[in-house]
Amino acid sequence: GQNIDQPTEMTATEGAIVQINCTYQTSGFNGLFWYQQHAGEAPTFLSYNVLDGLEEKGRFSSFLSRSKGYSYLLLKELQMKDSASYLCAPLDSNYQLIWGAGTKLIIKP
Amino acid sequence: GAVVSQHPSRVICKSGTSVKIECRSLDFQATTMFWYRQFPKQSLMLMATSNEGSKATYEQGVEKDKFLINHASLTLSTLTVTSAHPEDSSFYICSARDVKREGTYEQYFGPGTRLTVT
Repeated sequence: GQNIDQPTEMTATEGAIVQINCTYQTSGFNGLFWYQQHAGEAPTFLSYNVLDGLEEKGRFSSFLSRSKGYSYLLLKELQMKDSASYLCAPLDSNYQLIWGAGTKLIIKP
Repeated sequence: GAVVSQHPSRVICKSGTSVKIECRSLDFQATTMFWYRQFPKQSLMLMATSNEGSKATYEQGVEKDKFLINHASLTLSTLTVTSAHPEDSSFYICSARDVKREGTYEQYFGPGTRLTVT
């Protein structure tokens, strides 16, 4: 079967760094997306990893290890507006996104 | 670039009526569009994949006669919820792939439609 495992909720302090982990099991693999979703809104694209390693994009970085079925999203210099759900979504062999329930990130002042 | 719109953003309808939701790619062409529904605090659930000029591919457990999908052009897909019932109340989100960026498999999401059936 296909499975995505992320923590349900995390709390961090404004200005700090937080790492959101994701492990996955899919039928085939064609890369992994991270999306941000604010409450009541649609997801917005953050990153796409298809090769192992770290991809850095401003305050956000995403890491992938295909052999371990593992990815993480690293958020630096946290801002209050970063409070949202973060969705890890691998692409399976049919190039379909497999969605988990996401990690709700709460930022405290 | 890569903007997807949905209309309406919110709709309230009575049980037994039908509701049509439009999804448009505003600045790109999309041969493939996706329809999702999302219940509170749950993950996105793919309902169907819509391909321009052909029939939609529905996920297991999704009634194709109840959720009618039409993808008549490269910029427009519609989802019609027929004979709506209160359990159909949900957040419906569409997404689209840019035909010129198919190899990236990125999906651009619309803002979603909040459907409430009374």
